Amino acid sequence: GAVVSQHPSRVICKSGTSVKIECRSLDFQATTMFWYRQFPKQSLMLMATSNEGSKATYEQGVEKDKFLINHASLTLSTLTVTSAHPEDSSFYICSAISGLAGGTDTQYFGPGTRLTVL
Amino acid sequence: GESVGLHLPTLSVQEGDNSIINCAYSNSASDYFIWYKQESGKGPQFIIDIRSNMDKRQGQRVTVLLNKTVKHLSLQIAATQPGDSAVYFCAENISGGSYIPTFGRGTSLIVHP
Repeated sequence: GAVVSQHPSRVICKSGTSVKIECRSLDFQATTMFWYRQFPKQSLMLMATSNEGSKATYEQGVEKDKFLINHASLTLSTLTVTSAHPEDSSFYICSAISGLAGGTDTQYFGPGTRLTVL
Repeated sequence: GESVGLHLPTLSVQEGDNSIINCAYSNSASDYFIWYKQESGKGPQFIIDIRSNMDKRQGQRVTVLLNKTVKHLSLQIAATQPGDSAVYFCAENISGGSYIPTFGRGTSLIVHP
């Protein structure tokens, strides 16, 4: 199947700093990428949907100025956590679809990024 | 809607047993369903999908059953192995609209050797 990578896999930062997470589709063009957040023992919470070349659509309760998403190309989306605080510590996962199969696209997930804010 | 803030139910089985993981979906308009497996510290991995024009679909050691009447989905794993230990999520989507699948709360499967 298709491969989605994330970088970094793990990051530890100080409170107040910004952290950028990259999500790449390695062998297909992703018209849409998704960013999820997951707390321990819980389900995936969709944060935003990102379409190449347009602004991301954020879910209710997700601060767009806090979580900056850029989908600059068909193979790369970035999530920047600005002025990170300990409560932002979480597992962030991206996913991508090609958009070729309409609503039955297979969603390919990245391996996740563990963010720890001290 | 989204599954938020709920801790995962757990299913414990012995190696070799069959496992059945259940999922109740929320939207009667959903017509495409997917099961994912998520191992600890990793991203979800696609297992099997099913469209609403089917009520059963089989893969390798896995079977998905769909009951649209009661909005229920199940994943059956035959001859469960320790490597099957993971969290399993179902997701629902409406194929004719924007692709925004909704994930269920997940079930933690623990396989004892």
